[in-house]
Amino acid sequence: DAGITQSPRHKVTETGTPVTLRCHQTENHRYMYWYRQDPGHGLRLIHYSYGVKDTDKGEVSDGYSVSRSKTEDFLLTLESATSSQTSVYFCAISVGTADMNTEAFFGQGTRLTVV
Amino acid sequence: GENVEQHPSTLSVQEGDSAVIKCTYSDSASNYFPWYKQELGKRPQLIIDIRSNVGEKKDQRIAVTLNKTAKHFSLHITETQPEDSAVYFCAAPRPGTASKLTFGTGTRLQVTL
Repeated sequence: DAGITQSPRHKVTETGTPVTLRCHQTENHRYMYWYRQDPGHGLRLIHYSYGVKDTDKGEVSDGYSVSRSKTEDFLLTLESATSSQTSVYFCAISVGTADMNTEAFFGQGTRLTVV
Repeated sequence: GENVEQHPSTLSVQEGDSAVIKCTYSDSASNYFPWYKQELGKRPQLIIDIRSNVGEKKDQRIAVTLNKTAKHFSLHITETQPEDSAVYFCAAPRPGTASKLTFGTGTRLQVTL
């Protein structure tokens, strides 16, 4: 599992509340990613990080923010949750470099329901 | 950015038959093409990948072929078994990035007895 754990695994929250999902890795990987998975859309990149305090937006970043203050933790925050953010969220790491693309290893996923 | 299209969205085969899933990509600079398998309720996991310097790679019953000219790559599963039933995703890296992957929309493979 490449030492990746996500928390919580399941969460139900109300519209308009902030929510933070945590991704923790134990193997000091530089590259970390947050994806969301929805039927018919596959996996879509929300935000990614190339290192501590080095983050950038993916293709579906609106309504989300991230932080990476330590190598091992990558936090995803929904600033004000909406029903459209009901999804399964996957954290991933990559052992690649800037010049060498490699596979991504995924966490177990977090199922988030916004009611 | 990269655009990856995957077909078919669903595929049903009888046990023992072969299954083929095809993906096309848009950026000719893409050089790495992984395939992931996701069982129900589980995380996606890599099953095979190919780099742009080879045309085919095999691992037991699965193989991936790459046609750089046509910008498509395919997953081939032979002698399918019920445990092959899952959703399969292809992916390609976004141009000029380190492993930021663009995924296809997935193929649900059902292997029937």
